[in-house]
Amino acid sequence: EPEVTQTPSHQVTQMGQEVILRCVPISNHLYFYWYRQILGQKVEFLVSFYNNEISEKSEIFDDQFSVERPDGSNFTLKIRSTKLEDSAMYFCASSSGPNTGELFFGEGSRLTVL
Amino acid sequence: AQRVTQPEKLLSVFKGAPVELKCNYSYSGSPELFWYVQYSRQRLQLLLRHISRESIKGFTADLNKGETSFHLKKPFAQEEDSAMYYCALSGVPGGSYIPTFGRGTSLIVHP
Repeated sequence: EPEVTQTPSHQVTQMGQEVILRCVPISNHLYFYWYRQILGQKVEFLVSFYNNEISEKSEIFDDQFSVERPDGSNFTLKIRSTKLEDSAMYFCASSSGPNTGELFFGEGSRLTVL
Repeated sequence: AQRVTQPEKLLSVFKGAPVELKCNYSYSGSPELFWYVQYSRQRLQLLLRHISRESIKGFTADLNKGETSFHLKKPFAQEEDSAMYYCALSGVPGGSYIPTFGRGTSLIVHP
C-alpha cells in the first residue's frame, strides 16, 4: 500500500539555522499539506499546496517558512532561521482531492531546536 | 473559525469496559467530522467519518448537531485500542475544507 514518507525522522539543530524537512507524497495525490504538533498540544495546520503553489496557509506559516516541490516526487518544508518554539513534530500529508477530508500522513519528522 | 475540543487528554479503562472519547466542535452548520487514530509508533490514519455512518474496529461516532458533538464510542474496549485519538473537522461553509484537529485523547486500555 502506498505511503507518505518523510525524512529525516529526527533532526536536531541550533537556533538560527535553516532546516529542510522532506516528504514524498503518495504518487497519484495532488494535494499536499504540512501540519505540526508541539509536544502536548494539538495537531496544527501549516500550509496546503496544489498545482505548484500554496492554496492555503495558517497564521503560523510566516515568512520564516516556505514550501517547495522541487521535482515530481518531493515536497519540502523549509524553516529559514529556526527558533526554539519551532521544536515540534512536523507531519506531511497528501490527499487525492481538496475536500475528501481523508488525509494520508507520513510518520513525522521531529525537529529539536537547541 | 473552526474549532475542535477534546476535553480529555487521557482516558484509562480496563479491557471489556465501554469507551467514550468526547469531541465537541464550534459550528452550527453542517460540517464534516472525522476521527483519526495514531497507534504507537505508527502514523496518523483515518478511523472513521460521520458521513459513512460505519463502524470501524467496533467504534462508532454519531454527529449530534444540537450538542455540536461527535463522540467516539466502543462498547467493549480491547488492549489493541490503546492509541491517540484525534477528532477533526472540515468542510465548513465559508471556512476551510482542510481538516482542523483537536489536541487528541490518549486512550489506554489495561488488561
